[in-house]
Amino acid sequence: EAGVAQSPRYKIIEKRQSVAFWCNPISGHATLYWYQQILGQGPKLLIQFQNNGVVDDSQLPKDRFSAERLKGVDSTLKIQPAKLEDSAVYLCASSLVPGRYGTQYFGPGTRLTVL
Amino acid sequence: RKEVEQDPGPFNVPEGATVAFNCTYSNSASQSFFWYRQDCRKEPKLLMSVYSSGNEDGRFTAQLNRASQYISLLIRDSKLSDSATYLCVVNIGTGNQFYFGTGTSLTVIP
Repeated sequence: EAGVAQSPRYKIIEKRQSVAFWCNPISGHATLYWYQQILGQGPKLLIQFQNNGVVDDSQLPKDRFSAERLKGVDSTLKIQPAKLEDSAVYLCASSLVPGRYGTQYFGPGTRLTVL
Repeated sequence: RKEVEQDPGPFNVPEGATVAFNCTYSNSASQSFFWYRQDCRKEPKLLMSVYSSGNEDGRFTAQLNRASQYISLLIRDSKLSDSATYLCVVNIGTGNQFYFGTGTSLTVIP
């Protein structure tokens, strides 16, 4: 079974530029998560989708971050404009069911460096 | 106050040793608890789920103490391949929110 796919794997941009990340979850997984993991910290949930609807985006900095999952499958996360403190690994995860009974499977992540 | 707190370590132990990590959580409404393993520059992977007082899987034992609001992970007979960062994760059921700790780094030494 194919895992969660993410691209690009690495991205280097200058501050104030825009960047977008793409995620393709495991086939059949209705729940999709985006996490931000800053070096030396645990992942922090940014947004959770159930099919194409947002379940939780309370920790998403909405002034610069946006995410969508238009057809309930692939998802994109965008940062516009980027700040130095956005340098992190952006992890996408998916689960078959939402909540505590749904094991989350993570993709390899996109490592973002903002200069 | 952070939702989940862990001792970051690092823990350096010899092969064959037993090592234990603790994790505390602040929200008494937390319903489910997990341990994830993350290798260097890799994604986290589920190690164990803890739904009641605890469970065991081979050399790994997870325990939950709701009264004191902490979860522990015990690794017996440590192997070199156990070297990784162990992340404590708490699910607060009402909003299906997941909170990760900062992770505890383990290095098993030959």
